Amino acid sequence: NAGVTQTPKFRVLKTGQSMTLLCAQDMNHEYMYWYRQDPGMGLRLIHYSVGEGTTAKGEVPDGYNVSRLKKQNFLLGLESAAPSQTSVYFCASSLSQGSIYTQYFGPGTRLTVL
Amino acid sequence: GQSLEQPSEVTAVEGAIVQINCTYQTSGFYGLSWYQQHDGGAPTFLSYNALDGLEETGRFSSFLSRSDSYGYLLLQELQMKDSASYFCAVRDSGNFNKFYFGSGTKLNVKP
Repeated sequence: NAGVTQTPKFRVLKTGQSMTLLCAQDMNHEYMYWYRQDPGMGLRLIHYSVGEGTTAKGEVPDGYNVSRLKKQNFLLGLESAAPSQTSVYFCASSLSQGSIYTQYFGPGTRLTVL
Repeated sequence: GQSLEQPSEVTAVEGAIVQINCTYQTSGFYGLSWYQQHDGGAPTFLSYNALDGLEETGRFSSFLSRSDSYGYLLLQELQMKDSASYFCAVRDSGNFNKFYFGSGTKLNVKP
């Protein structure tokens, strides 16, 4: 049982390049989230999904897109990276609404945009 | 909107008790959670309070007062491994799927 995994762990992009971050969970969780964490700050919600085929905007969605084609995977895309998107990205998952207060986080992806 | 305030840093000695406070201003409220994050690591869930009062889990306890929009995390018998950042987070009562995190309190445990 690997929990929540994220690929890649590190990445350096040039301004304007695109990339996709992959999150996978093997806990059969319905809910999945993407957060970003900037130095000295808490986590801010980018997008989330309440089930396969559904996505919704969080607190800071601009510049990002997501897809949830399979229940176990949640992809975060940057179409045209900007230096302001340099951050650590965390994916999380949780059970259905009865225990939704417990989120399980992946190890993070450290992204630098030059 | 949502606003959570925590002290930026707290220092305590091994074996002591430390309290980390969190005050929040939210348009709606559904519960307060606490997460621990070691440097370079992922956040891990510690506790959750939906109702007023104290929740205890081993050396960690969490308290909530909804009337005061205030909660705290209490860590007892501090160990060096407790050195980490601690975040409070609230759920949006208008949308249970949204969580808002405080900026975190860095706890330094000294021998």
